[in-house]
Amino acid sequence: GNSVTQMEGPVTLSEEAFLTINCTYTATGYPSLFWYVQYPGEGLQLLLKATKADDKGSNKGFEATYRKETTSFHLEKGSVQVSDSAVYFCALSSGYSSASKIIFGSGTRLSIRP
Amino acid sequence: GAVVSQHPSRVICKSGTSVKIECRSLDFQATTMFWYRQFPKQSLMLMATSNEGSKATYEQGVEKDKFLINHASLTLSTLTVTSAHPEDSSFYICSAVPLAGGDRPEQFFGPGTRLTVL
Repeated sequence: GNSVTQMEGPVTLSEEAFLTINCTYTATGYPSLFWYVQYPGEGLQLLLKATKADDKGSNKGFEATYRKETTSFHLEKGSVQVSDSAVYFCALSSGYSSASKIIFGSGTRLSIRP
Repeated sequence: GAVVSQHPSRVICKSGTSVKIECRSLDFQATTMFWYRQFPKQSLMLMATSNEGSKATYEQGVEKDKFLINHASLTLSTLTVTSAHPEDSSFYICSAVPLAGGDRPEQFFGPGTRLTVL
């Protein structure tokens, strides 16, 4: 069945450091891929998405590229801020959008030191 | 826009009692709502898909008589944990899909409800 594997946390970085959170997936067909973020005390928010191979999703300085050949969707940001501290979830949906059933990775907690 | 609320945010109950959790879409109507469960340091696991006016569709391994879902209106879905036991303690999260979602509808998530069963 479909599954998502992401790097375990917690990840602690200094402000302005480069961030990579790895994510790989297993799926049949052509899933849509997502990164969600959960800030302390809040619900999950869609950070970015990609719906086909080689698509790059981007938002708030974060980027992730849909790599079908490596079945990966790694999240990157060139210079993190304290306000980026949150839990990040990689996810996939077999449908065209996130209105379909979503399968989540285990989440990666990110802490940014001032 | 697209705000989803859950009530209560935290609840503690005794073993054997039932607990109701509400999920509301505050500024949109939702055709579909999803209910997830999240164990500490683990992923969100989909429990069921709820469509307004029809019976919920439960994922494999989720007891429908244990976790009662009612989607009575386009803005409200409820999850009732019946005869709760300590192993039901978890973080329950709902999401909602707007009725007018366009060609790329999206799930919007509530903040979650932490249930502790003593």
